[in-house]
Amino acid sequence: QVQLVQSGAEVKKPGSSMKVSCKASGGTFTTYAISWVRQAPGQGLEWMGRIIPMLGIPNYAQKFQGRVTISADKSTSTAYMELSSLRSEDTAVYFCARDRRDGPGDYSFDYWGQGTLVFVSS
Amino acid sequence: QSALTQPPSASGSPGQSVTISCTGTSSDVGTYNFVSWYQQHPGKAPKLMIYEVSKRPSGVPDRFSGSKSGNTASLTVSGLQAEDEADYYCSSYAGSNTVVFGGGTKLTVL
Repeated sequence: QVQLVQSGAEVKKPGSSMKVSCKASGGTFTTYAISWVRQAPGQGLEWMGRIIPMLGIPNYAQKFQGRVTISADKSTSTAYMELSSLRSEDTAVYFCARDRRDGPGDYSFDYWGQGTLVFVSS
Repeated sequence: QSALTQPPSASGSPGQSVTISCTGTSSDVGTYNFVSWYQQHPGKAPKLMIYEVSKRPSGVPDRFSGSKSGNTASLTVSGLQAEDEADYYCSSYAGSNTVVFGGGTKLTVL
């Protein structure tokens, strides 16, 4: 059974950076894309970007270009999402999610991490 | 990459059917058959209900069905049950290995 386990909640200061991890187990890591999706309090889902670990080339939503870095460590089956220049509006639960199909995928997500709450406040 | 448009709310009585729409553009929903639907209960991670417009993952009841016409995709929940009360989100492939979500619809079972 595939499991995605994320790092714990964080409190950050405005202007700082955050880095959330997502460790996969129970399945193949390298050929399935991992996406990052966030959800601000009381708000909807927002896709941030994705990476196929085998290829190592990330793709980002235009909104986050220049501020987000998504990476993957094949040796530990762990994906990372780093967001810089944090502001209060970045307060959200951040999820990692795995594509249902390997390779290019079908851009649907069948396994999700438990979510990581990041609170940005001075 | 604008968010897909969903109605903020929908409702129905137990046993009835309800349809939730998801309107995009010719750059996403209208061009690609990579439309997905997710169910999210409060405090939980989303759950995949429909992928590739109309396909159901194993374990999802056949009361849930999806379709698409032009730039608009739809999720229909038939035979509404109390446990169907949740938030529902659509998503679509938007080209260049990017994905866009809808704003979400809160489904209430009356």
